[in-house]
Amino acid sequence: DTAVSQTPKYLVTQMGNDKSIKCEQNLGHDTMYWYKQDSKKFLKIMFSYNNKELIINETVPNRFSPKSPDKAHLNLHINSLELGDSAVYFCASSPRGARGANVLTFGAGSRLTVL
Amino acid sequence: GESVGLHLPTLSVQEGDNSIINCAYSNSASDYFIWYKQESGKGPQFIIDIRSNMDKRQGQRVTVLLNKTVKHLSLQIAATQPGDSAVYFCAENPATGGFKTIFGAGTRLFVKA
Repeated sequence: DTAVSQTPKYLVTQMGNDKSIKCEQNLGHDTMYWYKQDSKKFLKIMFSYNNKELIINETVPNRFSPKSPDKAHLNLHINSLELGDSAVYFCASSPRGARGANVLTFGAGSRLTVL
Repeated sequence: GESVGLHLPTLSVQEGDNSIINCAYSNSASDYFIWYKQESGKGPQFIIDIRSNMDKRQGQRVTVLLNKTVKHLSLQIAATQPGDSAVYFCAENPATGGFKTIFGAGTRLFVKA
């Protein structure tokens, strides 16, 4: 069974469109994340939810809106897509660990291409 | 500002040799460090971690060294195998950062058969 699964794996769309990526984890973790990986492989955190509560909200355009219906699911909706949004988006989760000991389990990624 | 960076973006080693991947971090308040491995088409995967009260930790074929004096982290892979070919990331959790994990830029490891 896949621990962190995200869909779709590939997404090709036109500029200006709205799209969503969905993520689910079956690990029983309390915290979920969205990371963006650019073409140079740099991983940058975007959002994090802890038990459905938003706890990290980095400097991300408000065209990006996360939503966590329950602690096992975290979705990402993107409005008015731009060329610069092309990237691989990774969902991740982590358990409620000791202070600072935060091990992430990642999904396989969703490659978004904006034309 | 906070940053975790790598000295070498690409490393090529012969199969069977040992590999050393280096990482420099700037946040002296970080107290937990992790190495992740990312294979092509997959998400990063945990390899090994180390707390700031340690300077060395060993796993199976991997060793992480932490030098807090110069804020340097390294990952050593013994007897490197073709399956070790991947991008390796060091990451840090600042002590006051809660759930925020900061990733370095990554090093691509090529293993030549």
